[in-house]
Amino acid sequence: NAGVTQTPKFQVLKTGQSMTLQCAQDMNHNSMYWYRQDPGMGLRLIYYSASEGTTDKGEVPNGYNVSRLNKREFSLRLESAAPSQTSVYFCASIENTEAFFGQGTRLTVV
Amino acid sequence: AQSVTQLDSQVPVFEEAPVELRCNYSSSVSVYLFWYVQYPNQGLQLLLKYLSGSTLVKGINGFEAEFNKSQTSFHLRKPSVHISDTAEYFCAVSYYNQGGKLIFGQGTELSVKP
Repeated sequence: NAGVTQTPKFQVLKTGQSMTLQCAQDMNHNSMYWYRQDPGMGLRLIYYSASEGTTDKGEVPNGYNVSRLNKREFSLRLESAAPSQTSVYFCASIENTEAFFGQGTRLTVV
Repeated sequence: AQSVTQLDSQVPVFEEAPVELRCNYSSSVSVYLFWYVQYPNQGLQLLLKYLSGSTLVKGINGFEAEFNKSQTSFHLRKPSVHISDTAEYFCAVSYYNQGGKLIFGQGTELSVKP
C-alpha cells in the first residue's frame, strides 16, 4: 500500500516554462488536495477536489491549474512558472479526518 | 475568515525541559483539530488529533494537547523534550461539513539544545 505518490521530487524550471506535478493515491479516497509550503507561512491550499470530476480553488490558486483525471490521480500544472512559485508542493488525500501526504516536490524557478 | 494562528514562530528549549507550542483558531462552528510534525526534508506526520470527547488528547512521542473551546485554543505540550524532537510543528483545523479540508497555521520551529 503506497499511500500518496508524488512526482517528481525535485525540479528546477526557468521562468516561463511549464510543468505538471503528478499525484496518485491508492486508498480510494474521494478528496485530494494540493498545498504549497513556504517558510513562515505554513501550508497553504492551492486547489482541491472533493470528488472525481470536481475541483475548487483554495487560498492561493493564481498561476495554477489542476486536473482530477480519475479517482486516483490529481495533477497540478504551472503554465508559465514564476520565481514566486518556488516552493515545496504537497499533495494530500483526506478521508474521514485521516490525511495522507505525499513526500513533497521541491520546485525552484530561476 | 477561517484561520489558524501559531503564536510562536520559533521556540528554543534545552533538552529535558518542558515545552508548550501555542495554537489558536478562529471559528464559531465545530472543528476537528490536529498537530503535525515535519522533520527536516521530510513530509508531514500526524502527532495527534482532537475529534470529540475528552479535551486532553495524547499523541505519539510523548506529546499531548488540550482543546479549549472557550479560548479556541489547542496548545501542544511535552513535559520533557529530547534532541530528536527538533522539528517544525504545524497546527491544523478542519470544519464539519467541509469534506476534510485542512487549514494550517504558520508553523513553529522547535529547536532543542543540549
